[in-house]
Amino acid sequence: DVKVTQSSRYLVKRTGEKVFLECVQDMDHENMFWYRQDPGLGLRLIYFSYDVKMKEKGDIPEGYSVSREKKERFSLILESASTNQTSMYLCASSLFFGGSENTEAFFGQGTRLTVV
Amino acid sequence: AQKITQTQPGMFVQEKEAVTLDCTYDTSDPSYGLFWYKQPSSGEMIFLIYQGSYDQQNATEGRYSLNFQKARKSANLVISASQLGDSAMYFCAMSPIQGAQKLVFGQGTRLTINP
Repeated sequence: DVKVTQSSRYLVKRTGEKVFLECVQDMDHENMFWYRQDPGLGLRLIYFSYDVKMKEKGDIPEGYSVSREKKERFSLILESASTNQTSMYLCASSLFFGGSENTEAFFGQGTRLTVV
Repeated sequence: AQKITQTQPGMFVQEKEAVTLDCTYDTSDPSYGLFWYKQPSSGEMIFLIYQGSYDQQNATEGRYSLNFQKARKSANLVISASQLGDSAMYFCAMSPIQGAQKLVFGQGTRLTINP
């Protein structure tokens, strides 16, 4: 079974703190993603990576950075946490195909982050 | 840029009835994939079904089928014989097949199955 594991299920941090959210996948997937989920807005892409040390901005990258030093690990960093970053954060991974195959993404269990 | 629109914030259906969840999309990519995910109250995202833009036939997976109308840019999910366990959030998503395959999601539809 594909496993995408996020380091924390629940997290409470103070405004201004530097926050690290860790994600590890065990299926040798090339693509990894960080999403933010808010009610009524669905899932919005923060950053994604298609290879080690490669990253691309998604739709809402402001206030976030990422790191991918190893293929299996993709970290989301909140440089200086703010209350408007209180949200559910979901990590996902998928194979990289340039053809007709299904590129289904597999998700972690999510991290509910509260910034106070 | 790709965009997914789900216009039904919530739906209520009687158990055993069929239900259709709407999804329209917009993209300039020549080939793309369309996905549906289910998110129960526990929070995990469960993959349900996939449709490639080049597929001639509509995808089916058990009680799930995807009504793909390319000219209308719609990819509706049909659940036959709904069950209480189908109560969840449902998300439509798409990605290009070539190049960077980032997934774009719709806003979601909350489906409630009544006994």
